Amino acid sequence: NAGVTQTPKFRILKIGQSMTLQCTQDMNHNYMYWYRQDPGMGLKLIYYSVGAGITDKGEVPNGYNVSRSTTEDFPLRLELAAPSQTSVYFCASSYSRVRGLSNTGELFFGEGSRLTVL
Amino acid sequence: KNQVEQSPQSLIILEGKNCTLQCNYTVSPFSNLRWYKQDTGRGPVSLTIMTFSENTKSNGRYTATLDADTKQSSLHITASQLSDSASYICVVYGGTYKYIFGTGTRLKVLA
Repeated sequence: NAGVTQTPKFRILKIGQSMTLQCTQDMNHNYMYWYRQDPGMGLKLIYYSVGAGITDKGEVPNGYNVSRSTTEDFPLRLELAAPSQTSVYFCASSYSRVRGLSNTGELFFGEGSRLTVL
Repeated sequence: KNQVEQSPQSLIILEGKNCTLQCNYTVSPFSNLRWYKQDTGRGPVSLTIMTFSENTKSNGRYTATLDADTKQSSLHITASQLSDSASYICVVYGGTYKYIFGTGTRLKVLA
């Protein structure tokens, strides 16, 4: 199993450009997340998805968009890149039961995508 | 406000020595607490999980403790190795999608 795979690992953008960070997981997890990690800060949730076709905003969604057309894929779109979006982005997934038994909520992370906006 | 605070921010120790990292949290509801290890340039990887009723859990040279009354956790690393150099992140899970991350402790182990 590959786990959570993110591409690209590194990217430099000019202000105003757009791009998509790709994320795919092969663990059949229902929950997927996008976080950003800035120096000296805890990971901040950008968007999350509880299943195909369902997405919702996290703490810092402005300037980003997501889609979840399949269980496996959860791309993050940056429109009109700004220097404030310079960060390391992590995609993660977890399995959560809708009801019934509790779940451990373990997060599985990708290797990260380092984005610089100049 | 849901918060997870970690100390120290950074730590340098000699190979073979022990160390303890601290985590204080004010998160509600509380489902469990995890310690993650993040190597430089990599994604975080789970080390241990502590539920409300657990006090201590070990994973090799890593031992985590949890005091749910005082809302404190610690991660003790025994006989440190160079490969332990990493950031250690305390994460409180509040259920469904709610994860509250600490800012991490950056550990450097010197030969």
